[in-house]
Amino acid sequence: GAGVSQTPSNKVTEKGKYVELRCDPISGHTALYWYRQSLGQGPEFLIYFQGTGAADDSGLPNDRFFAVRPEGSVSTLKIQRTERGDSAVYLCASSRQGGTDTGSNEQFFGPGTRLTVL
Amino acid sequence: KNQVEQSPQSLIILEGKNCTLQCNYTVSPFSNLRWYKQDTGRGPVSLTIMTFSENTKSNGRYTATLDADTKQSSLHITASQLSDSASYICVVIRRGSTLGRLYFGRGTQLTVWP
Repeated sequence: GAGVSQTPSNKVTEKGKYVELRCDPISGHTALYWYRQSLGQGPEFLIYFQGTGAADDSGLPNDRFFAVRPEGSVSTLKIQRTERGDSAVYLCASSRQGGTDTGSNEQFFGPGTRLTVL
Repeated sequence: KNQVEQSPQSLIILEGKNCTLQCNYTVSPFSNLRWYKQDTGRGPVSLTIMTFSENTKSNGRYTATLDADTKQSSLHITASQLSDSASYICVVIRRGSTLGRLYFGRGTQLTVWP
């Protein structure tokens, strides 16, 4: 597609439920990133995929959070036993390459999924 | 501690006026700095990317400056338009870090009034 897409755009769930958030990166982008953005804050890094593998998952807050990218394209962020504090906008981004810090590997962001835990 | 601080937190200006947003960072060692524009309900969109050796970079009505010695950057918007109303986020990448490890500021919420 033309850009990064995320589904659903909004998700309302009850405390203790399980949710899955989906990200479709730009075709051909090998690197994929998940961020969490709370109201009035900048995005906070969660996890980074290079291909199918999680190259850096140090931003995941606890073991209730898990993400996969089985075929190196679409990624799913999974949250178990949701808590009210998980409410935030979950952003996905992709870049052509990853694993370097050169200025050319620009990240393109999706519109985000707004998760609300009641 | 690696931090990115932005000021002001919010700003209201009249259409056609200029404004300057500030970003101070302590992220070290420095690799590059980016300014993003985030419209309400949308993901951030990159405006400029500046490396250590660049002092000024323009993108249309947006001009970013970088002083790597004082660890300060600014984003100047010229002849503001209503569509400039958005959050402007300063992002710093630390040299040697995983690319996903972007250090984000909280953003400056800009509102342009007609």
